[in-house]
Amino acid sequence: DIQMTQSPSSVSASVGDRVTITCRASQRISSWLAWYQQKPGKAPKLLIYTASSLQSGVPSRFSGSGSGTDFTLTISSLQPEDFATYYCQQANSFPWTFGQGTKVEIK
Amino acid sequence: QVQLVESGGGVVQPGGSLRLSCAASGFTFSNFGMHWVRQAPGKGLEWVTFIRYDGSDKYYADSVKGRFTISRDNSKNTLYLQMNSLRAGDTAVYYCAKDPSPMGGYAFDIWGQGTMVTVSS
Repeated sequence: DIQMTQSPSSVSASVGDRVTITCRASQRISSWLAWYQQKPGKAPKLLIYTASSLQSGVPSRFSGSGSGTDFTLTISSLQPEDFATYYCQQANSFPWTFGQGTKVEIK
Repeated sequence: QVQLVESGGGVVQPGGSLRLSCAASGFTFSNFGMHWVRQAPGKGLEWVTFIRYDGSDKYYADSVKGRFTISRDNSKNTLYLQMNSLRAGDTAVYYCAKDPSPMGGYAFDIWGQGTMVTVSS
């Protein structure tokens, strides 16, 4: 199975900050990577697919980059509604696997 | 609007069975692959199983292989998860999720609200 490792596990940031979350795959996955946002008690929401494609309706302050084994999710200017947990997920091969999550907290 | 609504969760004893359902609306259900994803209390997300648009192929996580069965009824726009030999470790919120592709694509683009399954004596 492909292991996905996110860092950091948590980050404290202020409104307006630039936040970067990284995700590393245990083997090459081309660009088959997605990012999700999850708020407490809610289902996850797709933000980014195929590493850098923005899902319809997602604000442009969210962006993704990377290929192969190393990937990044960037929030260019953190907004109050962005405080949540973020997960990466590989879709290169079954079983699809997720990173352990990164909690973005208010500083 | 595009919607997935899960049902069938509850409390079950270890070794018991449960069948979850996921009713789809707002899109052509028979054109897309479907997944189940679970989340144990306070934990991260775990992919469980996938079924192709026509039910011709299925994939399972090792943790549920041989115990869980995914199926679909395209005439009823409904996805199912039959869960047998349940264990305490299966306790989680179970989400159904739509795939953007019929054959198994690249993400989960639509999620249901989830249904809680608790395995406890």
